Amino acid sequence: DVKVTQSSRYLVKRTGEKVFLECVQDMDHENMFWYRQDPGLGLRLIYFSYDVKMKEKGDIPEGYSVSREKKERFSLILESASTNQTSMYLCASRTGVGEKLFFGSGTQLSVL
Amino acid sequence: DQQVKQNSPSLSVQEGRISILNCDYTNSMFDYFLWYKKYPAEGPTFLISISSIKDKNEDGRFTVFLNKSAKHLSLHIVPSQPGDSAVYFCASRHAGNMLTFGGGTRLMVKP
Repeated sequence: DVKVTQSSRYLVKRTGEKVFLECVQDMDHENMFWYRQDPGLGLRLIYFSYDVKMKEKGDIPEGYSVSREKKERFSLILESASTNQTSMYLCASRTGVGEKLFFGSGTQLSVL
Repeated sequence: DQQVKQNSPSLSVQEGRISILNCDYTNSMFDYFLWYKKYPAEGPTFLISISSIKDKNEDGRFTVFLNKSAKHLSLHIVPSQPGDSAVYFCASRHAGNMLTFGGGTRLMVKP
């Protein structure tokens, strides 16, 4: 089974802090994604990566950046956390040609 | 502007009856559609999909119907079981092989 692991289940941070969310997948997938889930808005794509050191903006990239130094790891960075970034963050991966995404369990981030 | 909409935020169904979850989309370029199920404290998991060249796909108790002219798809669960209680997201594929998700519908199946 594909496993996508997010390093933290819950995080509480203060406004202005720099926040790192880590994601690791173990199936050698080329593509990795970061989504946020908010009630009524579903899953919205923040950033994605087709390959190591490659990144593309999704639908809501403002306030976020990403890093992919190794194929299995994709990090989401909040340079200066704000309260409107309080959300559930979901990492996902897939093969280069597949449609199916495999998701991690999510990180519930609260910014106070 | 949401290109994929799930207009019912929640649905309650009796065990053994049919659950019908609906999804509408606006982009006629979508060519593949998927349903994901999400339990609390877990990530979404893939449930069933359908290509735009088909109008129906079945997998056990789950059937997805696609009406391209109406830009509408639905997920039928028959019979519904308490373990089906979860949030269901529909997703549509578009250019660049990217997925756009709907807002989700919370299904509650009562014993």
